[in-house]
Amino acid sequence: DQQVKQNSPSLSVQEGRISILNCDYTNSMFDYFLWYKKYPAEGPTFLISISSIKDKNEDGRFTVFLNKSAKHLSLHIVPSQPGDSAVYFCAARISGGYNKLIFGAGTRLAVHP
Amino acid sequence: ETGVTQSPTHLIKTRGQQVTLRCSSQSGHNTVSWYQQALGQGPQFIFQYYREEENGRGNFPPRFSGLQFPNYSSELNVNALELDDSALYLCASSGDRGYETQYFGPGTRLLVL
Repeated sequence: DQQVKQNSPSLSVQEGRISILNCDYTNSMFDYFLWYKKYPAEGPTFLISISSIKDKNEDGRFTVFLNKSAKHLSLHIVPSQPGDSAVYFCAARISGGYNKLIFGAGTRLAVHP
Repeated sequence: ETGVTQSPTHLIKTRGQQVTLRCSSQSGHNTVSWYQQALGQGPQFIFQYYREEENGRGNFPPRFSGLQFPNYSSELNVNALELDDSALYLCASSGDRGYETQYFGPGTRLLVL
């Protein structure tokens, strides 16, 4: 039962353009959403997060949008840079007693010069 | 401030053996969560330790066990290894039972032959 889905396994974008990575979820109990970036041979690196009570959070070139009615999350990277090439994981948190993250399968972003 | 570290980086075992993986949490963090990432998938929650007690568990069999020490470092033990246990094992440290952002180590890649 995949509660967090990233339906695009890969995305290719030209340098300087916008990258949009999408994530869908099924569980209404998720209260917090995070995006992690992962380079080969490294652990996931925290990128940006959003609480379920908000619909947008921005940090520099990265913006996360949350549409609760559609149970949809997206990460926008503007402008995209070659160093952004990595696998991006969407994660959702269920709170209450302990807090575990449920991850999507990831989207591999390639930013070409 | 040191980040999350894990050892060893790589490990090869044979089916039926036992393995111990180690994680040092980030300074100031009292919570360690362990995840298993199979090839092509997102990380899956194994369990979480908070102040030396198991604080939550995912859908993994009892042969997956752990410990957390007074300095908040942690071990993941897997008994009776199976071929499907081959994966990247990630630990993440955070404060306050994971309510704060979870920061990941580089992982230990385990291969079971």
